[in-house]
Amino acid sequence: KAGVTQTPRYLIKTRGQQVTLSCSPISGHRSVSWYQQTPGQGLQFLFEYFSETQRNKGNFPGRFSGRQFSNSRSEMNVSTLELGDSALYLCASRIQGAENEQYFGPGTRLTVT
Amino acid sequence: GENVEQHPSTLSVQEGDSAVIKCTYSDSASNYFPWYKQELGKRPQLIIDIRSNVGEKKDQRIAVTLNKTAKHFSLHITETQPEDSAVYFCAASKPGGYNKLIFGAGTRLAVHP
Repeated sequence: KAGVTQTPRYLIKTRGQQVTLSCSPISGHRSVSWYQQTPGQGLQFLFEYFSETQRNKGNFPGRFSGRQFSNSRSEMNVSTLELGDSALYLCASRIQGAENEQYFGPGTRLTVT
Repeated sequence: GENVEQHPSTLSVQEGDSAVIKCTYSDSASNYFPWYKQELGKRPQLIIDIRSNVGEKKDQRIAVTLNKTAKHFSLHITETQPEDSAVYFCAASKPGGYNKLIFGAGTRLAVHP
């Protein structure tokens, strides 16, 4: 099976703009979680989607949002970008029936200038 | 609140030596503890995990131990090889957490030939 894929892999945006990142889970996986990775804060949970519903959310401002489609693909959106949003955004998908095991995609490297 | 502390932050060993990384979690309800390896520029890869009903788990040169009473778990790598050099992250999640992983800050392991 193909692994988790994310697009785009790299992105450069300007402060104040918005951005949409995409994640395609492993075939058959219905749960997608998003994480932000920065040198200062490490890996932090953003939110998790299952069957098109957000089930859990981390401590991030409302500028960070997401959604999931019926084919389990997920998108996350960041509006009004700030310099501090520069990070590697990782998504992870979970196999149905295997509690908690999550497999990560390669990430999208977002740089805000 | 939920927190996972990881030590040491850097670890340098000679090829063939053993390496041990320790993590402590704060939420006693946590029941799933994965370890991820992240090589430079690559995605975090799940290398081993343990659930709270098990005290130890081994997979070739890698082992994880869990002490629920003390709320800590450790990664043991034996006969280290240069390709083991990477950043290792521990994480914890709890039932009903909908795949929310709380990560440690990471340990940069360097294995010198």
